[in-house]
Amino acid sequence: AQTVTQSQPEMSVQEAETVTLSCTYDTSENNYYLFWYKQPPSRQMILVIRQEAYKQQNATENRFSVNFQKAAKSFSLKISDSQLGDTAMYFCAFMPEYGQNFVFGPGTRLSVLP
Amino acid sequence: KAGVTQTPRYLIKTRGQQVTLSCSPISGHRSVSWYQQTPGQGLQFLFEYFSETQRNKGNFPGRFSGRQFSNSRSEMNVSTLELGDSALYLCASSLVLSKDAHEQFFGPGTRLTVL
Repeated sequence: AQTVTQSQPEMSVQEAETVTLSCTYDTSENNYYLFWYKQPPSRQMILVIRQEAYKQQNATENRFSVNFQKAAKSFSLKISDSQLGDTAMYFCAFMPEYGQNFVFGPGTRLSVLP
Repeated sequence: KAGVTQTPRYLIKTRGQQVTLSCSPISGHRSVSWYQQTPGQGLQFLFEYFSETQRNKGNFPGRFSGRQFSNSRSEMNVSTLELGDSALYLCASSLVLSKDAHEQFFGPGTRLTVL
């Protein structure tokens, strides 16, 4: 069974600064997908970024980028130029290549301070 | 394109009752998944439906059930409610058989409170 760990229950960052959220996972599969989802206080889960395990290049999406280390089973999210609207719970999620459901980590509550 | 919708948004029930939650996926999406979110257990997978068939099921008791209709809308039912069933129930839909097949789009959730 796959597991996802997020070791930082809460983090805070000053507006305009950079923050990195950690995620590690455990799987015996070789091909899979990794995601970061954001859940603002309004509760709507929003996809932030995704990474296919077979791609060596780290995914980027505007101010969001990942550091994917397949051998270490690590998938961290870097948020640059943090904005107040980035305040949310961030969930790291794993999905096997032929799976139909996510395995989520426990989440990291990020607060962006003015 | 309209997003995933869930009804009702809020629900209050008492122990022993049953409840039905509804999810309408994004138009064209054929896969619907349900998740339970609680402060203690986090996000846990309930089940996934595709073309009216349950393809995958999480580790929940038989009191939790679901179904999917021909228009891909899905319902989940919880019978004999317990206090521990209080949670945010999230529905997610995805477009299968595409390069983005694994991206799931979430609805706003139904907040269920069991008294």
